Amino acid sequence: EAGVTQFPSHSVIEKGQTVTLRCDPISGHDNLYWYRRVMGKEIKFLLHFVKESKQDESGMPNNRFLAERTGGTYSTLKVQPAELEDSGVYFCASSLGGSGSTDTQYFGPGTRLTVL
Amino acid sequence: GESVGLHLPTLSVQEGDNSIINCAYSNSASDYFIWYKQESGKGPQFIIDIRSNMDKRQGQRVTVLLNKTVKHLSLQIAATQPGDSAVYFCAETFPPDTGRRALTFGSGTRLQVQP
Repeated sequence: EAGVTQFPSHSVIEKGQTVTLRCDPISGHDNLYWYRRVMGKEIKFLLHFVKESKQDESGMPNNRFLAERTGGTYSTLKVQPAELEDSGVYFCASSLGGSGSTDTQYFGPGTRLTVL
Repeated sequence: GESVGLHLPTLSVQEGDNSIINCAYSNSASDYFIWYKQESGKGPQFIIDIRSNMDKRQGQRVTVLLNKTVKHLSLQIAATQPGDSAVYFCAETFPPDTGRRALTFGSGTRLQVQP
């Protein structure tokens, strides 16, 4: 079974440009999450989709970040315009969901974003 | 805001020894705790989890201990192997039935296994 995949693995852009990151969750997983790790700090939650709906976007830093999950399958995270402080590693995770006592989140390899 | 932290940034052990990685959490409402392992160039990999109604859970060569009184979590790795070298993160979250599934991560501990 394929795991969570992310594209691209690396992206280098200049300040002010736009970048779009893509995440393909594990097939059948309704829940999709975005996290990021910037400047060597802790991995921080950005937002959570349940199918195509945003369940929790409390971690989104500002309106330069736009996440979508049209059709409830893959998701994109767009940064426009990118700033220097956006540099870091962006992780996507997915989970099966449901009302079980636990709901393990499986992570992708991440996209390393460098803003120059 | 609430956060999860780690006591030691780097832990060096000899191959074959047991490793203990510690984590302190501050949110008493957290109900579910997870340990992740991250190798270079990869995303966090699930190792083991524990609910707040338990104080110990064992997996293959790994054991997680939870002390809710002092808000402390630990990961024990038996007979540490070179392949265990990685950064280990603890994470916490609320019960799935709350609808809040955001993980709060600690800063990570790097485990170095010496041959």
